[in-house]
Amino acid sequence: QKEVEQDPGPLSVPEGAIVSLNCTYSNSAFQYFMWYRQYSRKGPELLMYTYSSGNKEDGRFTAQVDKSSKYISLFIRDSQPSDSATYLCAMSVLPFQGAQKLVFGQGTRLTINP
Amino acid sequence: GAGVSQSPSNKVTEKGKDVELRCDPISGHTALYWYRQSLGQGLEFLIYFQGNSAPDKSGLPSDRFSAERTGGSVSTLTIQRTQQEDSAVYLCASSLGFGGGNEKLFFGSGTQLSVL
Repeated sequence: QKEVEQDPGPLSVPEGAIVSLNCTYSNSAFQYFMWYRQYSRKGPELLMYTYSSGNKEDGRFTAQVDKSSKYISLFIRDSQPSDSATYLCAMSVLPFQGAQKLVFGQGTRLTINP
Repeated sequence: GAGVSQSPSNKVTEKGKDVELRCDPISGHTALYWYRQSLGQGLEFLIYFQGNSAPDKSGLPSDRFSAERTGGSVSTLTIQRTQQEDSAVYLCASSLGFGGGNEKLFFGSGTQLSVL
């Protein structure tokens, strides 16, 4: 079993829909949770970062962490074609100070149809 | 440009050949990382350089893989005697590397390696 599981999709939704992307994890020590967005033929870029449980909102994006269920989510409201990308979750036990301690999910490929 | 630069963007090689992949990190970033991304897989950590410290090579999958970083800047990932299972996108990332937690990784666009 992988430490971090993420449905690879692909996920296809119409423009304007609310999108929910999810990851589950097995290591209860994870405290820091990140979402990266990766456009085709590009490297990932950090989208959002949260610590411990709760919600964090940034524009149309909301990151949610439920540590009791070992489940994290990224919600995209009013989705746009420009949101089409692969979304990767990542997490670590300690504040991220070295890539070797950052564990990534497989990534979910998302397409927003105009 | 101000971003992480990787070359070549695509590399096709024959099984058994050696390949070198190059990474130019963002100027001033002391930390440099190599990852491998295979189809349908997450990012797999390979190696981590921090300043003048000995690199963390714990993610290298075999002794056919090696990397060096010259002058604390440019890094080269070398794969010797390539195998078909080495086919993947190799991503380089850099960060400020000053610790304090939650450093932001800046990724290059990667090198797509295809071993025939």
